[in-house]
Amino acid sequence: GQQVMQIPQYQHVQEGEDFTTYCNSSTTLSNIQWYKQRPGGHPVFLIQLVKSGEVKKQKRLTFQFGEAKKNSSLHITATQTTDVGTYFCAGYDGGFKTIFGAGTRLFVKA
Amino acid sequence: NAGVTQTPKFQVLKTGQSMTLQCAQDMNHNSMYWYRQDPGMGLRLIYYSASEGTTDKGEVPNGYNVSRLNKREFSLRLESAAPSQTSVYFCASSEVGVFGYTFGSGTRLTVV
Repeated sequence: GQQVMQIPQYQHVQEGEDFTTYCNSSTTLSNIQWYKQRPGGHPVFLIQLVKSGEVKKQKRLTFQFGEAKKNSSLHITATQTTDVGTYFCAGYDGGFKTIFGAGTRLFVKA
Repeated sequence: NAGVTQTPKFQVLKTGQSMTLQCAQDMNHNSMYWYRQDPGMGLRLIYYSASEGTTDKGEVPNGYNVSRLNKREFSLRLESAAPSQTSVYFCASSEVGVFGYTFGSGTRLTVV
């Protein structure tokens, strides 16, 4: 079945450093979504990418969808302590289910 | 406020006890989902309901049952709780393939 792998599992950064998490699917995706979960909270939808090669930005966050629509990345420029949490990618295969990656937990040291 | 409401927020069960987790959404979404979240495992789909009147198994359905009571409500039942079901349970809703999921605040379940 469809699998979505996400790396790294954990990332420790100093405040102001950049951060990137990568997501790879075993199958071609219709779209990919990104979520953020603060410690003790619930996942919150950030963005959805649909087109091959698509790049979207939200302030310091840059999201990319690969040309083959099987991989994606989230890059945070100049991390802040408010960026702490777990970032999940989720791949939608065109059916009724979205498969979540295991997430990358980001720790930011002030 | 519009969103997904889950009850209860916390629950402790003894092995073998049963309980139902409740979920309701007021966004008129057709699809609803139940996930469990365990450390290092991400979110794993237990059951989903693509539309009112339909339910289907996800990745980890064993030990659970669901009911799509109406368009708003989707409940998850544990008939005989086991320690392996200790987890955080999230309900979510969406319009399929259009927008992202909206998650409830979760139920933290401990089975002793």
